[in-house]
Amino acid sequence: DTEVTQTPKHLVMGMTNKKSLKCEQHMGHRAMYWYKQKAKKPPELMFVYSYEKLSINESVPSRFSPECPNSSLLNLHLHALQPEDSALYLCASSQARARMPQHFGDGTRLSIL
Amino acid sequence: GESVGLHLPTLSVQEGDNSIINCAYSNSASDYFIWYKQESGKGPQFIIDIRSNMDKRQGQRVTVLLNKTVKHLSLQIAATQPGDSAVYFCAEPQGSGNTGKLIFGQGTTLQVKP
Repeated sequence: DTEVTQTPKHLVMGMTNKKSLKCEQHMGHRAMYWYKQKAKKPPELMFVYSYEKLSINESVPSRFSPECPNSSLLNLHLHALQPEDSALYLCASSQARARMPQHFGDGTRLSIL
Repeated sequence: GESVGLHLPTLSVQEGDNSIINCAYSNSASDYFIWYKQESGKGPQFIIDIRSNMDKRQGQRVTVLLNKTVKHLSLQIAATQPGDSAVYFCAEPQGSGNTGKLIFGQGTTLQVKP
């Protein structure tokens, strides 16, 4: 069982909907990450949070809005997504930004209609 | 820029045989590497890591070998089992590693034949 928990496991939404993905870890890690993974491809980094502050945004469109309410939680708010945004969204955490390895959750499978 | 790449997209082995999954990297200054296993419907699972001051590291049924001369690392799985069927990624931190950004290889799919 993974120690990084993501909800929901599956999400289907229309292009005009607003939804949020949630990620939680209780390992005391101070760095958290969002990745996007398309089928048969490696994960691609979207955002890095370090001590609850956004430290990296990999030029992600503004329709994806991350939030880190506290050191254990990471959210990804979704609005006006496009069909090409359909993918597996993975959350990961590590002890600190420069401390490896990163530990991943099982992801949210997102489908945009 | 840095890159990591795997030699074969798919590897098929007989149950009980040993598996070897290869990965090449481009940055001679790279000093840390990770292997992840991703089963269908799950996220990447950390298997083993290695620092550049080591040539070999062993875990439970897995061994990672690092050849800095040719910038190559491999993951060896002993007595491969059906539960080892998955996509395997090698990864390394980008640059000095301070950003937290990981660079992944393209992945090798391991298929275990009964």
